[in-house]
Amino acid sequence: GAVVSQHPSRVICKSGTSVKIECRSLDFQATTMFWYRQFPKQSLMLMATSNEGSKATYEQGVEKDKFLINHASLTLSTLTVTSAHPEDSSFYICSARSPGQGNTEAFFGQGTRLTVV
Amino acid sequence: AQRVTQPEKLLSVFKGAPVELKCNYSYSGSPELFWYVQYSRQRLQLLLRHISRESIKGFTADLNKGETSFHLKKPFAQEEDSAMYYCALSGSGNTGKLIFGQGTTLQVKP
Repeated sequence: GAVVSQHPSRVICKSGTSVKIECRSLDFQATTMFWYRQFPKQSLMLMATSNEGSKATYEQGVEKDKFLINHASLTLSTLTVTSAHPEDSSFYICSARSPGQGNTEAFFGQGTRLTVV
Repeated sequence: AQRVTQPEKLLSVFKGAPVELKCNYSYSGSPELFWYVQYSRQRLQLLLRHISRESIKGFTADLNKGETSFHLKKPFAQEEDSAMYYCALSGSGNTGKLIFGQGTTLQVKP
């Protein structure tokens, strides 16, 4: 199957700093990628839809100025957590749909564990 | 509102026993339903989708529109089935967004 890679897999940052997480589709082009957040022992919560060449679409309650998304190419989307605070500590997961018609299979990255101290 | 509900956080069975992981959904149109699985220390991966109507690793799931359910079943559980299982919904409109249930941890004991 297709591969989606996230980097870094784990990051620790100081409160007030910004952190960038990359999501790459390694063997296919993805015009749309998705960013999820997962709290411990809880479900994945969709944060935003990343659209190549245009603005991301954020879900209700997600601060777009806090979580900056850039999808500059067909294989790369980045999520920047700006002015991070301890409450932003979480597991962030991206996914990309494989090319094709209809609801094609979503492939997930391995996730990024963010810890803000 | 779109919602996926998995009522059980943990399901523990013995090897060889039947398994049923429950999933109910709320959606006002014609959704597509999926089951995703996450094995220990691995990424989330697709197990099966309702439109395929196939059996993967012995698991099946039937979409019941009347009961708005998409329960995952396997007649004889194996230890390697131990994992976290997520039911997910994708709505009409081909946006590609997935709404996930809370997840159920399946523990298959020897």
